[in-house]
Amino acid sequence: EAGVVQSPRYKIIEKKQPVAFWCNPISGHNTLYWYLQNLGQGPELLIRYENEEAVDDSQLPKDRFSAERLKGVDSTLKIQPAELGDSAVYLCASSWNRGSTEAFFGQGTRLTVV
Amino acid sequence: DAKTTQPTSMDCAEGRAANLPCNHSTISGNEYVYWYRQIHSQGPQYIIHGLKNNETNEMASLIITEDRKSSTLILPHATLRDTAVYYCIAAPNTGTASKLTFGTGTRLQVTL
Repeated sequence: EAGVVQSPRYKIIEKKQPVAFWCNPISGHNTLYWYLQNLGQGPELLIRYENEEAVDDSQLPKDRFSAERLKGVDSTLKIQPAELGDSAVYLCASSWNRGSTEAFFGQGTRLTVV
Repeated sequence: DAKTTQPTSMDCAEGRAANLPCNHSTISGNEYVYWYRQIHSQGPQYIIHGLKNNETNEMASLIITEDRKSSTLILPHATLRDTAVYYCIAAPNTGTASKLTFGTGTRLQVTL
């Protein structure tokens, strides 16, 4: 069974440009997460979805970041416009539901803003 | 959630046991100890979790002290593929996946 799939794996953009990341969770998983991981640090939660509803987006910088999970399956995270400080790895994870004890992570998208 | 403290880095010879400590002196009664690891260029991967009894699975063993203030993750026969950052997390058992707070972890380097 395929795990959490993210694309692209790597992205290099100039500052002020928009960028989007895509995530396909494990089939049947209702809960989806987006994490940000800066170099040398552990992942930090940006947003959590229960099906198509964003239930925890308190850490998402809403002035430039947006996310959606149409139909409660795939999800897209967007940054517009990107800043130099947004360079990081963006991880997507999923779990069966909010009561699950284990989250399954994708390989992440490494974003470099120049 | 309780704060955890881990050494920044550790080395281990291949084939030997790797013992990774974690301090969680403020852990509350309903919090479990979870371990995840992150191999280079991959996302974190669940390893094991426990409340107060020692736990073992195909990947590792988890030893929790009787007072629950600290624990040790044991990789019995470390291989080069175990080189990774290991995260110790204290969180309630219900909905843990929604409450993962990663610190900086322990970077384990397994050498020949």
